[in-house]
Amino acid sequence: NAGVTQTPKFQVLKTGQSMTLQCAQDMNHNSMYWYRQDPGMGLRLIYYSASEGTTDKGEVPNGYNVSRLNKREFSLRLESAAPSQTSVYFCASSDIDREGQPQHFGDGTRLSIL
Amino acid sequence: AQSVSQHNHHVILSEAASLELGCNYSYGGTVNLFWYVQYPGQHLQLLLKYFSGDPLVKGIKGFEAEFIKSKFSFNLRKPSVQWSDTAEYFCAVKGGSYIPTFGRGTSLIVHP
Repeated sequence: NAGVTQTPKFQVLKTGQSMTLQCAQDMNHNSMYWYRQDPGMGLRLIYYSASEGTTDKGEVPNGYNVSRLNKREFSLRLESAAPSQTSVYFCASSDIDREGQPQHFGDGTRLSIL
Repeated sequence: AQSVSQHNHHVILSEAASLELGCNYSYGGTVNLFWYVQYPGQHLQLLLKYFSGDPLVKGIKGFEAEFIKSKFSFNLRKPSVQWSDTAEYFCAVKGGSYIPTFGRGTSLIVHP
């Protein structure tokens, strides 16, 4: 049981390049999330998907797009990368139908934009 | 709207010292509360959670937290820390929204 799997683990991009971060979960969770983690800022929600076929903006959505491909997969796309998007990106999933259910996190993608 | 505040940004302790990390939240209704730990280079892992019942919650690795509703607090405690507890700790609250809000984290360094 792999939980939440993110690819790639590391990536270096040049300003203006595009790329897609992949996330898949095998826990049959309804909800999936993308966060970025920056020093002193904690976790900030970029986008989330309450269920297959729906996506909503979080706290810091600018410069990103997402796709909930199916129940398992939730990808994050940077169309034109900027140095301010240098960060560690975490994908998470949860089952919102049960009270008190925590989120399960992937190992993160460390992204550097030059 | 829900919010959470962690007052200690950096904590440095020696092994065997006692630990208490503060977490206060803002939300007027029923809440679910969580503490996560992130070891260096790893993802966040759940330490413990509260959603109802006994306000004193015991988690993994000897950690516990107490929900004090009147103080809107959910402080994390451990009687005796170890070097291996060096990590970043995040408090999270889930209230009206099903999406939890995370605090900014507390960096704990334990010296051997």
